[in-house]
Amino acid sequence: AQTVTQSQPEMSVQEAETVTLSCTYDTSESDYYLFWYKQPPSRQMILVIRQEAYKQQNATENRFSVNFQKAAKSFSLKISDSQLGDAAMYFCAYRSEGSGSRLTFGEGTQLTVNP
Amino acid sequence: DGGITQSPKYLFRKEGQNVTLSCEQNLNHDAMYWYRQDPGQGLRLIYYSQIVNDFQKGDIAEGYSVSREKKESFPLTVTSAQKNPTAFYLCASRQYRSSYEQYFGPGTRLTVT
Repeated sequence: AQTVTQSQPEMSVQEAETVTLSCTYDTSESDYYLFWYKQPPSRQMILVIRQEAYKQQNATENRFSVNFQKAAKSFSLKISDSQLGDAAMYFCAYRSEGSGSRLTFGEGTQLTVNP
Repeated sequence: DGGITQSPKYLFRKEGQNVTLSCEQNLNHDAMYWYRQDPGQGLRLIYYSQIVNDFQKGDIAEGYSVSREKKESFPLTVTSAQKNPTAFYLCASRQYRSSYEQYFGPGTRLTVT
């Protein structure tokens, strides 16, 4: 079974600064997807970024980018030019192509953005 | 607008009662999922369904039941056998056999006293 680990329960960053959230996972599969979801106080889950394991190029979405290290099974999220609206719980998630394409989530990192 | 609706947003029940949480989607997605979220924890999979009239247990299915009679609907029943039912429940859907992510509903907060 796959496992996802987020070792930072809480992180904080100053507005306009950069912060990196860590995620590691364990799998024996070669084809899979990795996601970062954001959960603000409303508790709505919002997709931040997606990475296909077969792609070597790191995904980027505006101020959000990932550092995907497949051999190390590491998938960190970098938020540049942090904004107050980035404050939320961030979840790393793994999806295999079997087992109904279910998602396995990490325990989350609570990000605080200080003005 | 296409999306996933969950109702109600807050639900209160007495211990020993069964309760059904609603999940409806108009995205024409094949697969639907139920997750449970507890404070300080990530989401855990309860049940999922890839097609109508078929569903599979997730990691924490004990004390829960589901049905999938229509493509658009995937209700979750929390039975009296669930030992600790108070939690936040999230429903999600996805187009099966695609590279796209799961879309989530707004969630239902269930409190059992």
